[in-house]
Order: sequence, then structure tokens, then C-alpha cells
Amino acid sequence: DADVTQTPRNRITKTGKRIMLECSQTKGHDRMYWYRQDPGLGLRLIYYSFDVKDINKGEISDGYSVSRQAQAKFSLSLESAIPNQTALYFCATSDSRRMNTEAFFGQGTRLTVV
Amino acid sequence: GQQLNQSPQSMFIQEGEDVSMNCTSSSIFNTWLWYKQDPGEGPVLLIALYKAGELTSNGRLTAQFGITRKDSFLNISASIPSDVGIYFCAGQSTSGTYKYIFGTGTRLKVLA
Repeated sequence: DADVTQTPRNRITKTGKRIMLECSQTKGHDRMYWYRQDPGLGLRLIYYSFDVKDINKGEISDGYSVSRQAQAKFSLSLESAIPNQTALYFCATSDSRRMNTEAFFGQGTRLTVV
Repeated sequence: GQQLNQSPQSMFIQEGEDVSMNCTSSSIFNTWLWYKQDPGEGPVLLIALYKAGELTSNGRLTAQFGITRKDSFLNISASIPSDVGIYFCAGQSTSGTYKYIFGTGTRLKVLA
């Protein structure tokens, strides 16, 4: 089983709909991140959380919200989806207890807004 | 937003050839990470570098943390078809926020 699990893997939704992407992890890491990937732009940070109830905006947070109600879960919501939010979304985790840390990624959610 | 300059953007190589790609930044990083992403999958960590000048290998892969802490390279020796994918560098900032900054990726295609 994957250490970082994202659901759904694929989703098509209509403009204006609210949608939630879920991420859960079994790594016991305290830090979690949501990234968006677009062709040619690499991975851009949407939101990140360093602990339960801790929420921080990344570079492209407009139009998104997140919730961290438990250490193992970090959900991303699009309040009113628009077509330019069509992208690959990745959740990642890292461990602050280690001085040097790596980020571990989920398998991604491909979201299409029509 | 801040991103790393990663080059080349894409490359075609013959099977058996060596590959080199690099990332540069205007900022100093504490950690450099190299990831590979296969189609439809999330990035998978290949190599992590923690100290300036550090040279680390993982099988046919070798990566170095630049002495200035502003750059890193990844070499793949004797490429094989399964090396196809997108390779990303990432730097972890020293600003205390522990955010990761990603390069735009190098798309590698191997010709058998």
C-alpha cells in the first residue's frame, strides 16, 4: 500500500461545482503539502501545514482551501471550480523531526474542470 | 513564484549513453533533492543531498550538491529505456519555512 494516498485519482467536474481532494498518509509525518502541476511549470505550492490545525498559504492559494483535522489527513477544496484549475494535484509529506528532510509524494489526482 | 532553473528542458538520447542535467538558483539551499516522475504517477525520490560539495550515488545515478549551495547536477550513466520520464530537482530553503522549491523538470526520452 502507498504511504501517501490520494483520492480520487481522476475526477471530472463542472464549472462552479465544489470539489474536495483527499490525502492520507501512514508515514507518521507532521508536515503535509498540496502542489499543483501544469505542463512546463513544474510543481507549485498551493497550501502547506506543519501540524494539525496549522494552515499556511503557498504561492497559488487563490481559489483553494484546505483542512488539516488530523495529522494523517490533509484535504484540498476547490470552492467553485473553474477550467483553469484543470491540472494534476499532488499531496506530499515530510518529517520535521529530522534535520534534513525529504518530501514524499502521493500518486496524484488528475482534475478536469469542464 | 520562485522556481529553479533546470536544464535541459528535454532530451533524446541513445540507449547506453550518459545523461547530465542541472539546476541553478539565485538562493542558497540546505537540501537538494532529485525526483523522477513516470507518466500518471507522483514524483519518486531518487537522491537527497544535504551538504555543500556532497556527491552521492544511487545505482547508475550520481548527484552533487554544488559548493556554492546554489546548484546541483544529476548524472545517469548507461541509460536504459526505463529511464524515460521527467526528472525534477527541488531545493529546500534556508528561510526557516522548510518549503520545497521545484525545478520545471527535464523530460528524458531514450531511443533504443
